[in-house]
Order: sequence, then structure tokens, then C-alpha cells
Amino acid sequence: SQQGEEDPQALSIQEGENATMNCSYKTSINNLQWYRQNSGRGLVHLILIRSNEREKHSGRLRVTLDTSKKSSSLLITASRAADTASYFCATGLRSGGYNKLIFGAGTRLAVHP
Amino acid sequence: ETGVTQTPRHLVMGMTNKKSLKCEQHLGHNAMYWYKQSAKKPLELMFVYSLEERVENNSVPSRFSPECPNSSHLFLHLHTLQPEDSALYLCASSQEGLALYNEQFFGPGTRLTVL
Repeated sequence: SQQGEEDPQALSIQEGENATMNCSYKTSINNLQWYRQNSGRGLVHLILIRSNEREKHSGRLRVTLDTSKKSSSLLITASRAADTASYFCATGLRSGGYNKLIFGAGTRLAVHP
Repeated sequence: ETGVTQTPRHLVMGMTNKKSLKCEQHLGHNAMYWYKQSAKKPLELMFVYSLEERVENNSVPSRFSPECPNSSHLFLHLHTLQPEDSALYLCASSQEGLALYNEQFFGPGTRLTVL
């Protein structure tokens, strides 16, 4: 069954603005990851946050995790047209000897020049 | 480039055809995955191989048959597919071990169209 659900499904902003995407999940996790996908291409890993972490930064990306609310957010600051892509959260849990990821349906971000 | 390659990039096949998708990872990883991505649906995990053994098969129809001859190569053999199998098929790899947290590296995908 689907674990992560992103909100909003689509987001349209102007260059320079910040973009915030949210992810909610249902069961226990040991990590949450965010991935980016350009149209029709593979996914690229952006950032991983562990279940015992609350906030993490990487360049213009800021991720928060609230395990009590089972939610995470991805903030992209000072957005650029090149940030236009789909963004997916994936919840991770150890299963069968590997880190099983379950992906949400994604947020489509459009950044207009 | 992520170090994971997939061929072909595009494939059109009839329902009676047999074809294979190929994935190769150049990262020295020990786990490989097949995912299916359909329009407006979350990524669906199909198969997982860890140390060349299949460790997960997510109720995938038998018309999809995976093969992992070694830790660098993964195949998905297709036969008698249905039009609803049209999708982007993504391969991924990761290094699994004692760590609880591992990112996956994805290939560019094969866009499959079943007529």
C-alpha cells in the first residue's frame, strides 16, 4: 500500500521564490529520502534524513521530519527554472536485509523565469 | 550520470512479443531493483535482488521474469504483455550491508509501450 503522500500534487512558482513540498506517511520508518525526477528520466537522490533527526540542510535544500506527526517537508530556497521537476519522498525501513523504499506519488514543481 | 545504465531507452512491442530489458550498474553495489512507474501513480517496487538472490517479488504477474546473473547486471524478461503494462521501467542499485540507511541510484529508465 502507498506509504508516502506528497502535497501539493502540483506547484507553480516564479524564479527566486521558495518552494515547499510536504510528505505524510503511515507506518514506522528509520529514514526518509527525497528524490528528484526530470521528465521521463530516472530519479536522483537529493537528501536523506534519519528518523532520529529533525532537520537537515544541503545547499538550497532544507528537509524537516516530524515523526510524531509522520510528516516531512522539503524546502527549496531561491528557486531556479532548472529546479523544474517532480519531487518524491520515499520512506525507508529495513526489510529482508535491505533498505526498502516506498515512494509517494510526487509533487510536480514548475519554476517560471 | 548515476552509474546505472539501462537499455533500450524506448521499446514498442506487441502483446505476443518477447523482449528483455537490461540494466547495468558500475558502482560496485550488491543490490539491484526493478520499479514500474505508470502515469499518475507512485513508483511500484517489482523485484529486489540482494547478493544476486531475489529477496522480494511484489506480486508481479508471471509475464515479467527477472534475472540477475551477477551483481552488476539485471534483466527483466517480458512476454505476452498487456497494454496496461505500458510504463517507464526503472532500475536502481544500492550498497546494502550493516548500515540502516542507503540511498538508491537510478538508471534513466526504459519507456515501454505495449500495443
